[in-house]
Amino acid sequence: AAGVIQSPRHLIKEKRETATLKCYPIPRHDTVYWYQQGPGQDPQFLISFYEKMQSDKGSIPDRFSAQQFSDYHSELNMSSLELGDSALYFCASSLRFGRGTDTQYFGPGTRLTVL
Amino acid sequence: DAKTTQPPSMDCAEGRAANLPCNHSTISGNEYVYWYRQIHSQGPQYIIHGLKNNETNEMASLIITEDRKSSTLILPHATLRDTAVYYCIVSGDDKIIFGKGTRLHILP
Repeated sequence: AAGVIQSPRHLIKEKRETATLKCYPIPRHDTVYWYQQGPGQDPQFLISFYEKMQSDKGSIPDRFSAQQFSDYHSELNMSSLELGDSALYFCASSLRFGRGTDTQYFGPGTRLTVL
Repeated sequence: DAKTTQPPSMDCAEGRAANLPCNHSTISGNEYVYWYRQIHSQGPQYIIHGLKNNETNEMASLIITEDRKSSTLILPHATLRDTAVYYCIVSGDDKIIFGKGTRLHILP
């Protein structure tokens, strides 16, 4: 079965540069979530989109922005990168039923290294 | 904050059943119990979820107490490939709040 696709898988940037991470959800899934996992930490929710509208927001820095496009793929844009932004970034997708059973399926992640 | 409490680590012998407990005493009526696992630096993998009845799939079984305040994930025949961090999550229709999870070590 098709899974969530994330690109690139690895990204190296310098401080103060920008980065764009892409997420392609499972076909027919309408909701996308972004999570950040720092070294030795548990994943932390950043932001989510349902039907191209932001649906929830977590601990996402103001330097980051995201959107969901008409084909449901999503992009996470990160500007003025800092060393502390080095982390694994996971995207997850789900199909919203609204009955507490919106199982999220995660992609393989993008490893961002900021030098 | 996460709504669940799990032991930080557990060991299980290969081929035996691994029973991972989780406390979620503040769970509300419309919240499901989900289990995910993360094998080193890979994306979290969905295992199973349930509301109040016990559930079984090809990966595991989920036993939820009648008062829904705790649950147990059972991996019936653990293998070395089951070594991972297992997260018990209480969720409605929104974001996942990951707690610390249980680091399960499968011993050969």
